[in-house]
Amino acid sequence: QKEVEQNSGPLSVPEGAIASLNCTYSDRGSQSFFWYRQYSGKSPELIMSIYSNGDKEDGRFTAQLNKASQYVSLLIRDSQPSDSATYLCAVKSSGDSWGKFQFGAGTQVVVTP
Amino acid sequence: GAGVSQSPRYKVAKRGQDVALRCDPISGHVSLFWYQQALGQGPEFLTYFQNEAQLDKSGLPSDRFFAERPEGSVSTLKIQRTQQEDSAVYLCASSSLSDTQYFGPGTRLTVL
Repeated sequence: QKEVEQNSGPLSVPEGAIASLNCTYSDRGSQSFFWYRQYSGKSPELIMSIYSNGDKEDGRFTAQLNKASQYVSLLIRDSQPSDSATYLCAVKSSGDSWGKFQFGAGTQVVVTP
Repeated sequence: GAGVSQSPRYKVAKRGQDVALRCDPISGHVSLFWYQQALGQGPEFLTYFQNEAQLDKSGLPSDRFFAERPEGSVSTLKIQRTQQEDSAVYLCASSSLSDTQYFGPGTRLTVL
């Protein structure tokens, strides 16, 4: 079992709709969680970080964290074709003082006009 | 430069050759990470530096992989006697004291 799990997709979303991405993790002591976007052939870029239970909003993006259930999600509102990319969930592990990042395999999102 | 840079961007090696991949982190960033990303997968951790100290190399797949950061800035990932399974994108990321990692464009290694 991988330490960070994501549905691989592709997740097909009509333009203007909400895309909902989920991520589960196994390290119960993890404290820091991140969503990265990766366009094909490009490197990951940070969208959001979240550290506390609840919701965190940034523009069209909302991250949701539930540590008790060990999942973190990302909502993309008013999806645009430019949102078509792979979204990577990353979790900073609790085992080391500096914290190793574990990445999920990513969920591919395709926004259709 | 403003971001993390990596060179070369593409590298083709014959099986058995040695390769060296370079990473220039953002100026002043203490932490530097190397990841390996296979097609369709997320980045897999290889190694971590804090300044010149290599604090974690648990992700290096074999003793053919070696990384260094002698002066605490530029880092080099060296792969000796390359094998076909080494073909992947090698990503470098740097961060300051925060958790945010900034990735370079990556080096795509193809071993024939």
